Amino acid sequence: QKEVEQNSGPLSVPEGAIASLNCTYSDRVSQSFFWYRQYSGKSPELIMSIYSNGDKEDGRFTAQLNKASQYVSLLIRDSQPSDSATYLCAVTRSGSARQLTFGSGTQLTVLP
Amino acid sequence: DAGVTQSPTHLIKTRGQHVTLRCSPISGHKSVSWYQQVLGQGPQFIFQYYEKEERGRGNFPDRFSARQFPNYSSELNVNALLLGDSALYLCASSFRESSNQPQHFGDGTRLSIL
Repeated sequence: QKEVEQNSGPLSVPEGAIASLNCTYSDRVSQSFFWYRQYSGKSPELIMSIYSNGDKEDGRFTAQLNKASQYVSLLIRDSQPSDSATYLCAVTRSGSARQLTFGSGTQLTVLP
Repeated sequence: DAGVTQSPTHLIKTRGQHVTLRCSPISGHKSVSWYQQVLGQGPQFIFQYYEKEERGRGNFPDRFSARQFPNYSSELNVNALLLGDSALYLCASSFRESSNQPQHFGDGTRLSIL
């Protein structure tokens, strides 16, 4: 079982729709959760962080965390073609190393 | 403010050679981490440095080494290059080393091994 799992997609949604991206993690001591957006040929860009159960909203983005279910999601409202990218879920856990453990990413395409 | 800067942006090497990649963190950031990203996968953790000390090492062979300098910049060295080392090498910095600190990535160095 991978430590962080995401549906690879591709996920296609029409412009203006809600895109829902999901991520599960296996390590219960995971503490911090991040969503990165990566355009083709570019480096990952941090878009959201979430640390406690519940929802966190930032503009058109909402991150949701459920530690009991070991599940974190990202909702993108009013999706735009410019949102087309790969979305990477990453987690960290306490301990001597603070490395990010990434999923393989979900490729999102927003159709005009 | 400048973000994380990495050099060079692209590099072509042949098998058996060695390579040095460089990273300057965001001003004020003391933690630097290195990741390797191969096509179609998420980044894989290689090293983390904080205050010039190694704080973490991923599952990479001893051919990979790194260091952090007093100005918090960092180098990643890879010896005896293999074809499988072809990847995007990413440097990320954060203000502190704690697990809740967001890490910000540079544009990466794309390494191709012939």
